Amino acid sequence: AQKITQTQPGMFVQEKEAVTLDCTYDTSDPSYGLFWYKQPSSGEMIFLIYQGSYDQQNATEGRYSLNFQKARKSANLVISASQLGDSAMYFCAMREWGGSNYKLTFGKGTLLTVNP
Amino acid sequence: DTAVSQTPKYLVTQMGNDKSIKCEQNLGHDTMYWYKQDSKKFLKIMFSYNNKELIINETVPNRFSPKSPDKAHLNLHINSLELGDSAVYFCASSQDRSGSSYEQYFGPGTRLTVT
Repeated sequence: AQKITQTQPGMFVQEKEAVTLDCTYDTSDPSYGLFWYKQPSSGEMIFLIYQGSYDQQNATEGRYSLNFQKARKSANLVISASQLGDSAMYFCAMREWGGSNYKLTFGKGTLLTVNP
Repeated sequence: DTAVSQTPKYLVTQMGNDKSIKCEQNLGHDTMYWYKQDSKKFLKIMFSYNNKELIINETVPNRFSPKSPDKAHLNLHINSLELGDSAVYFCASSQDRSGSSYEQYFGPGTRLTVT
């Protein structure tokens, strides 16, 4: 079974509008972290935001916020006031802290296109 | 200053050759990783080293051999290259101590093309 599911292969949004990128995860470990990364067409991987499983509040970083619904096992990324430069591939990833697990497990990504 | 650097950025080679990719991080992190991104953009962990010790080896063919001479370096050597090895290889590092932010910092990637 996939540990990270991103059901939207592609999304379109108008400039200045908000967009939500979906991510659901599967784990039996009570302690885990959820990450979002951005990969523009230039190829680099850029860390955006982190949410720990025990964090009481949803994470926010500038225009990025993470809508964390633990019972539903979802960690959607919300980008407010989209900009043309937000056009990129977005990856949701999880790290399970049990057993000294050091790896990130990635979803298949969502390609976001921001239209002018 | 580049936090995680990889060389080379592009690598084109023929089947059967042996090649290496080098990675260096200047962040003082304890843990380094190699990921492979295939043509469909799927990212998968290959190896992880913590304080020069191998801690993850994810069903990677033994033609791939990582080497960590010190905490700041993690190199990837690939023997007898095959067409299916064509991909982008990312090096990453993280600080895995209590109180750290745990995110992994990625290098710029090495695009390997095997012909």
